Amino acid sequence: DTGVSQDPRHKITKRGQNVTFRCDPISEHNRLYWYRQTLGQGPEFLTYFQNEAQLEKSRLLSDRFSAERPKGSFSTLEIQRTEQGDSAMYLCASSLARAAGVSEQYFGPGTRLTVT
Amino acid sequence: AQSVTQLDSHVSVSEGTPVLLRCNYSSSYSPSLFWYVQHPNKGLQLLLKYTSAATLVKGINGFEAEFKKSETSFHLTKPSAHMSDAAEYFCVVSDQAGNNRKLIWGLGTSLAVNP
Repeated sequence: DTGVSQDPRHKITKRGQNVTFRCDPISEHNRLYWYRQTLGQGPEFLTYFQNEAQLEKSRLLSDRFSAERPKGSFSTLEIQRTEQGDSAMYLCASSLARAAGVSEQYFGPGTRLTVT
Repeated sequence: AQSVTQLDSHVSVSEGTPVLLRCNYSSSYSPSLFWYVQHPNKGLQLLLKYTSAATLVKGINGFEAEFKKSETSFHLTKPSAHMSDAAEYFCVVSDQAGNNRKLIWGLGTSLAVNP
């Protein structure tokens, strides 16, 4: 399967701990996105990369959140000093940016974070 | 600014009857529009996309959507619902013309299909 993969699929952590999630995009895709989704809501944009450059971060993104894509392939999302409000599904998506036309995003299965 | 409104949070239909999920958008330019589906405990899957070509867009699993600029709508339809169609559906608009950089999501419509 050459789709977007995420690891782990589930994470339970205690408040105050740090967590790190990994996303492996579709191999030829140069754009990678992170979203957060809570129950009954649509995905909320967090940040995105084009190759290794982080081009945009949501203003809603706390400074406890950091993302990297060091070699322009996989990406990690770290949450420091987790809070109960961080409990959500964290989604990764990738796309192939084209000079013209629309490039749809392909989503991974998500990482479900529960902060106790 | 771009926005999208899904007019129904829940829709319930009987198996074999038509499905209509309504979506209105707001955009200052010709938008790119998408419908995604999310089955329980599964990832988001692209159903179809509008790219300023044909206004009637056909997607997977028998779904289609019609872009109506005069009504700023992009409603999703299917002639005959199947039990496997029960899921959450999201209408999405891109945040800029052409190569979408960021997606603006509706709140979703939960579709129930009754036997």
